[in-house]
This record gives sequence, C-alpha cells and structure tokens, in this order.
Amino acid sequence: QSVLTQPPSVSAAPGQKVTMSCSGTSSNIEHNYVSWYQQFPGTAPKLLIYDNNKRPSGIPDRFSGSKSGTSATLGITGLQTGDEADYYCGTWDTSRSAWVFGGGTKLTVL
Amino acid sequence: QVQLVESGGGVVQPGRSLRLSCAASGFTFNSNGMYWVRQAPGKGLEWVALIWYDGSNEYYADSVRGRFTISRDNSKNTLYLQMNSLRVEDTAVYYCAREKGDSGYYPDYWGQGTLVTVSS
Repeated sequence: QSVLTQPPSVSAAPGQKVTMSCSGTSSNIEHNYVSWYQQFPGTAPKLLIYDNNKRPSGIPDRFSGSKSGTSATLGITGLQTGDEADYYCGTWDTSRSAWVFGGGTKLTVL
Repeated sequence: QVQLVESGGGVVQPGRSLRLSCAASGFTFNSNGMYWVRQAPGKGLEWVALIWYDGSNEYYADSVRGRFTISRDNSKNTLYLQMNSLRVEDTAVYYCAREKGDSGYYPDYWGQGTLVTVSS
C-alpha cells in the first residue's frame, strides 16, 4: 500500500477535462510541497508539476496542480489521446523522513 | 542539458550484491541532492534512497535500509547504489533522479533506468 492514495484509473473523452486526486496526511501533503509525474510505458517519469502548482518549462498550461489540506489534485484540460499515461503524485513525508509516491493513476482518453 | 545515465543492472541471484552507477552531466553535480527510485514490473514508483548534495546525509526506504547504501563521488559526477543481500522482491527498473529545490525539494530530471533482476 502506498502512503499517498490515488485512484487506479480515470477516463474522459478527447477535448474534455479530467482531474485526479492524491490523498495523504498531515505528515506529508499538508505540510510539504507536492509534485506530479507523467509516465508512458517503458519510459522514465517526467516532471509535470512541482511546488503544488508550478509547471516546468515546456509543460503546457493544460496541466495544472492544486492542493488543499491533506489532498492534492492534478487537472488536465483539452484532453488528447497522447495524454494517455500513468500519473504519480509525490511529496516528502516528514515523520518517515522519506519521499513518498502515490500508487499512480492510469489515464484513459476514450 | 541535464543527462543521467544509469548502469550496472543485470541478473543476480538472491543474497548476492550489485552496484549501480548513475553518471551525471549537464549541471553542477555537487550542488544537487540525488535520488534512487525503482519500479517493479507492472507496479508503481517506489522511492529507494536520497543523498544530499555533499553526501553528508542519506535517507532510505524501510524496505532497503540496512541492505542498500547510496553514495556519490562528486569528483566523478557519479551517484552509486550498493545493493547487498538482494531479494527477489528487489527486481525492478532502478532510476536515478536529480533533486531540485525551489520552495520544496523534488526529483526533476530522471535517467532512463537500469533493470535489476534477482532470480535463482
């Protein structure tokens, strides 16, 4: 079981918007910054969002992040078939002195 | 541009040892912490270890503490993971990643990974 909880899968139609959640506790998400990663099969993860809601250079503004309390959310608008991937949230867990990931959410663009 | 290249993976028997390396280029290696993260076949990401930019502090996942050691040679721009007493459940692709710090700290750039298979 992962320390952070993500839904195993989400789906939406092309052009639509989707959100995916990442639930944690006061020892991780609530008091630390969250980052999000996109991973295609057979490839390394890629940073999508850092510091809860910031996008690295080159990441389109279709991707957004937010945080409230012990939960974080990744949003993707204008869905494209090329967005089909696994998405992971991650943050530092202060009580464990460990970096923790969610179990990942598989996005299907129908 | 930032490049991280892992090496040293392979097939090893349970109980044996293996050392992974991660060659870094394109940034000032001795300014950044570094991570090892692994991914078992068909599974999610699992953080393994973190080392500070100067090697003064190390952190480990409970699953590897006491068996794995993260280290770095800043003169060679290289990160290492010494893996001892390997178990079947250590089978995974092992990624190294650079730690970036802004408001918080997080892995930003990742290598392509190296596969470790523990099997008799």
